[in-house]
Amino acid sequence: AQSVTQLGSHVSVSEGALVLLRCNYSSSVPPYLFWYVQYPNQGLQLLLKYTSAATLVKGINGFEAEFKKSETSFHLTKPSAHMSDAAEYFCAVSDRSGGYQKVTFGTGTKLQVIP
Amino acid sequence: DTAVSQTPKYLVTQMGNDKSIKCEQNLGHDTMYWYKQDSKKFLKIMFSYNNKELIINETVPNRFSPKSPDKAHLNLHINSLELGDSAVYFCASSYPTASGSNEQFFGPGTRLTVL
Repeated sequence: AQSVTQLGSHVSVSEGALVLLRCNYSSSVPPYLFWYVQYPNQGLQLLLKYTSAATLVKGINGFEAEFKKSETSFHLTKPSAHMSDAAEYFCAVSDRSGGYQKVTFGTGTKLQVIP
Repeated sequence: DTAVSQTPKYLVTQMGNDKSIKCEQNLGHDTMYWYKQDSKKFLKIMFSYNNKELIINETVPNRFSPKSPDKAHLNLHINSLELGDSAVYFCASSYPTASGSNEQFFGPGTRLTVL
């Protein structure tokens, strides 16, 4: 069975500092991996996804993530945090279940940006 | 021009009541989902439909009954509401793929409060 683990339910960074949100996955087959962001009182929206092409994936709003098979990781980074980045971030893994896509989400990491 | 819409946005009701949440997507997707997000932000899939056919049915009390009148709509009916049903319910949609690599598009959520 597939799963994702997000280390750190809360992460605080200063504005302008590096953002690093950690995600480790478990999957019996090559995974498809996603990062979603949820702003307060909104639904989730896709930041980026890994689908077995380039291991370094660039997403929206300056975020990127690197797929490392040897470490079973897909950590999310951004060089310089903005106040608008404050949100909940979810890592997710997808595979085929009974012939259809099934996505399993991590428990989320709340990012706080300190002015 | 909303992609995935849900009604109502907020729902406050008494224990024991029956209520419905509606979801519509105008993206032309074939697959729709219901997720439950609890107070700790944990997101868990409940159901998935593909072209009006139920394809994922997780361990959910049978008080929850999804219905898909067509591939653009997926409704969720809940009988005999309990305190533990209080959560935010998200609808999502996607194109099905042979690989499971497609992103899901989420609605804004319905916050259900059972008193």
